[in-house]
Amino acid sequence: GENVEQHPSTLSVQEGDSAVIKCTYSDSASNYFPWYKQELGKRPQLIIDIRSNVGEKKDQRIAVTLNKTAKHFSLHITETQPEDSAVYFCAAGEIYNQGGKLIFGQGTELSVKP
Amino acid sequence: ETGVTQSPTHLIKTRGQQVTLRCSSQSGHNTVSWYQQALGQGPQFIFQYYREEENGRGNFPPRFSGLQFPNYSSELNVNALELDDSALYLCASSLAGYATNEKLFFGSGTQLSVL
Repeated sequence: GENVEQHPSTLSVQEGDSAVIKCTYSDSASNYFPWYKQELGKRPQLIIDIRSNVGEKKDQRIAVTLNKTAKHFSLHITETQPEDSAVYFCAAGEIYNQGGKLIFGQGTELSVKP
Repeated sequence: ETGVTQSPTHLIKTRGQQVTLRCSSQSGHNTVSWYQQALGQGPQFIFQYYREEENGRGNFPPRFSGLQFPNYSSELNVNALELDDSALYLCASSLAGYATNEKLFFGSGTQLSVL
């Protein structure tokens, strides 16, 4: 069935270093790949998203890359700060699918040490 | 902040009971999706409503049902509660005026505990 695998499950970096989180999806029909940040006890917040017709998208310190052939997409955070500490979720789905669902990965707990 | 409000924030029920969770989104957000997030897991899709009609459903049994109202509010009903139903229930709406998964904004969720 449809699945999104996310790695690593935990990631610890020093402040100022870069962090990379990787996801693999199984459904070839997926054409939309958002990333959400969830702080403890709070709602998931959309931080960046990409459509399948784009290979890379950047927003300040955050970037997402997509390899459709390999069905891989990754989140890159540069110059990490302690406030980047949270759980990050990738997701995959179809923008206009009548089924209406996003498949989420299992999450990566990022810890940025000062 | 995002215009998606959920109530109640916390709820405790016993096995076998029924529960209704509520979600209110901004005017114009006519797509609403419900997700279940178990502790330490990613959200799992329950169903989506678009213009008051169910637009798709995940792998959840029929005892999970929903409604969307003309004022863009929505309900999630769960009958015959089981211990495994304990989770954070998230409602999400889209800014787009069509049925879509793009740019979903989540509410803060309802934490349901089933004892």
